[in-house]
Amino acid sequence: EVQLVESGGGLVQPGGSLRLSCAASGFTFSSYEMNWVRQAPGKGLEWVSYISSSGSTIYYADSVKGRFTISRDNAKNSLYLQMNSLRAEDTAVYYCARWLAALDYWGQGTLVTVSS
Amino acid sequence: EIVLTQSPDFQSVTPKEKVTITCRASQSIGSSLHWYQQKPDQSPKLLIKYASQSISGVPSRFSGSGSGTDFTLTINSLEAEDAATYYCHQSSSLPLTFGGGTKVEIK
Repeated sequence: EVQLVESGGGLVQPGGSLRLSCAASGFTFSSYEMNWVRQAPGKGLEWVSYISSSGSTIYYADSVKGRFTISRDNAKNSLYLQMNSLRAEDTAVYYCARWLAALDYWGQGTLVTVSS
Repeated sequence: EIVLTQSPDFQSVTPKEKVTITCRASQSIGSSLHWYQQKPDQSPKLLIKYASQSISGVPSRFSGSGSGTDFTLTINSLEAEDAATYYCHQSSSLPLTFGGGTKVEIK
């Protein structure tokens, strides 16, 4: 069974940092492209970042470029999102999602709240 | 950036009724359009990929159609468990974008 489990969310002050993790199981993690997608409270879905299976190709939404860094450790079956210079508008549930022609599996999400 | 416009924003429907949700892209995206269902307090679930391709385990009452700029998600014979928000999503070009969502309520 495919499982994606996010962790690392929490309350952080504006300008602070957080590192999100996504633990993958039930599939060959190193063969799949991965994404982070977020959802602000009561709002729709927003794509954040993409990473290829090897980690060699990375893309970001303009809203996070220069502040967020996506990475992966295929040996540990894990995906990461390092978030720096956080702003109030980054408050959201962050989902990791596997890419196979579409976002075919999603984790349960981890809530990031940016507030003083 | 490709903008996806969904309509309607909200729909209140009686069980067994047919539901049609449309998604219009701001430019042609071929068939690179996918549909997701998100129930309250749950993560999104893939329903349809590439406009009309079915997903294993998804009930056959869900179907998709369209290409280019105009797409449709159809739910035939709505069931109570289909109460959710439905999103379209394009993968034709970066940034990946989503429609604003259509909330389906059961009367």
